[in-house]
Amino acid sequence: GAVVSQHPSWVICKSGTSVKIECRSLDFQATTMFWYRQFPKQSLMLMATSNEGSKATYEQGVEKDKFLINHASLTLSTLTVTSAHPEDSSFYICSARDQASGRDEQFFGPGTRLTVL
Amino acid sequence: GENVEQHPSTLSVQEGDSAVIKCTYSDSASNYFPWYKQELGKRPQLIIDFRSIVGEKKDQRIAVTLNKTAKHFSLHITETQPEDSAVYFCAASKGSSYKLIFGSGTRLLVRP
Repeated sequence: GAVVSQHPSWVICKSGTSVKIECRSLDFQATTMFWYRQFPKQSLMLMATSNEGSKATYEQGVEKDKFLINHASLTLSTLTVTSAHPEDSSFYICSARDQASGRDEQFFGPGTRLTVL
Repeated sequence: GENVEQHPSTLSVQEGDSAVIKCTYSDSASNYFPWYKQELGKRPQLIIDFRSIVGEKKDQRIAVTLNKTAKHFSLHITETQPEDSAVYFCAASKGSSYKLIFGSGTRLLVRP
């Protein structure tokens, strides 16, 4: 099946710094990728839809100036958490759909655990 | 927008028994319903998915049903095994947006 990778798998940073997370589709192209956030013992909450070559679409309540998304190629989307604070500590997961397959299935990355001190 | 509710939040069954998890969705335009299994600290793993043209789908010990009128769908796991213990999420999406809205999750514990 299709493979999605994320980097880094975990990161610890100081409050006020910015952190960039990469999401890559390794063996397929994805014009659309999705970013989720998952707090401990909670569900996956969709943050935004990343569109290749255009602006991301953010879900209600997600600050677009705080969570910067760039989808510069058909295999890479990045999420930058700007001026991170302890409340941004979470598990960030991306997903992508292999459009060429014609299937609805989305493939998830392994996630990035962010801890803000 | 779409809202997906999931019950129960926790479910404990004896090995060999069946487990049923239920979800409801709000947007009648939703037409794709995947179920995911997530182990602690890992990515969600798709266990079964179906589109709304299908009323029921089976894959070995797993079956899913959909009631479009009531906007309910369910996951049935038969002959449960300890390795089935995990958190299960239902999700729904519609049309070309393909964004998935997840239920709140069910923590399943299968007791040996």
